[in-house]
Amino acid sequence: EAGVAQSPRYKIIEKRQSVAFWCNPISGHATLYWYQQILGQGPKLLIQFQNNGVVDDSQLPKDRFSAERLKGVDSTLKIQPAKLEDSAVYLCASSWTTSGVYEQYFGPGTRLTVT
Amino acid sequence: AQKVTQAQTEISVVEKEDVTLDCVYETRDTTYYLFWYKQPPSGELVFLIRRNSFDEQNEISGRYSWNFQKSTSSFNFTITASQVVDSAVYFCALRWEGQNFVFGPGTRLSVLP
Repeated sequence: EAGVAQSPRYKIIEKRQSVAFWCNPISGHATLYWYQQILGQGPKLLIQFQNNGVVDDSQLPKDRFSAERLKGVDSTLKIQPAKLEDSAVYLCASSWTTSGVYEQYFGPGTRLTVT
Repeated sequence: AQKVTQAQTEISVVEKEDVTLDCVYETRDTTYYLFWYKQPPSGELVFLIRRNSFDEQNEISGRYSWNFQKSTSSFNFTITASQVVDSAVYFCALRWEGQNFVFGPGTRLSVLP
């Protein structure tokens, strides 16, 4: 079974530029998550989708971050404009449903460096 | 408030030593789930175990074992006879029904040859 795919793996941009990350979850997983992991910290949830609807985006900085999952499969997370403090690893995860019974499976992440 | 505490920021052991990683959680819910994930240097979080709040049985899987105690709100993880490949950051996480994960800050384990 293929795992969660993410691209690119690394990205370096200057502040005020824009960037987009892509995620393809495990086939059949209805729930998709985007996390931000700052160096030395645990992952912090940015947004959660159930199929193509947003379940929770309370910690998403909506003035600069946006995410979509139009067809209920793959998803894109965008940052525009980027700030220095956005430097982090962006992790995508998926699970069968939102139920706590099911664990999340994580992708390899995209390491973003903002200079 | 829902919270996960991993008081040990970094631990170093010599290969073949046993090591225990502590996890203390806070929740007001009666139904919740606890997880351990491993994050090796490659960066990908690897699922290790899930425990629900109604199952306090300890679990052993090879060199790994988990001790869940609701009375102390702890879910500790022990690696027996540690190996260099066990070197990673380990995260404890809490999830309550229908809600999202809260991760602890992680414990960096270094196993020296």
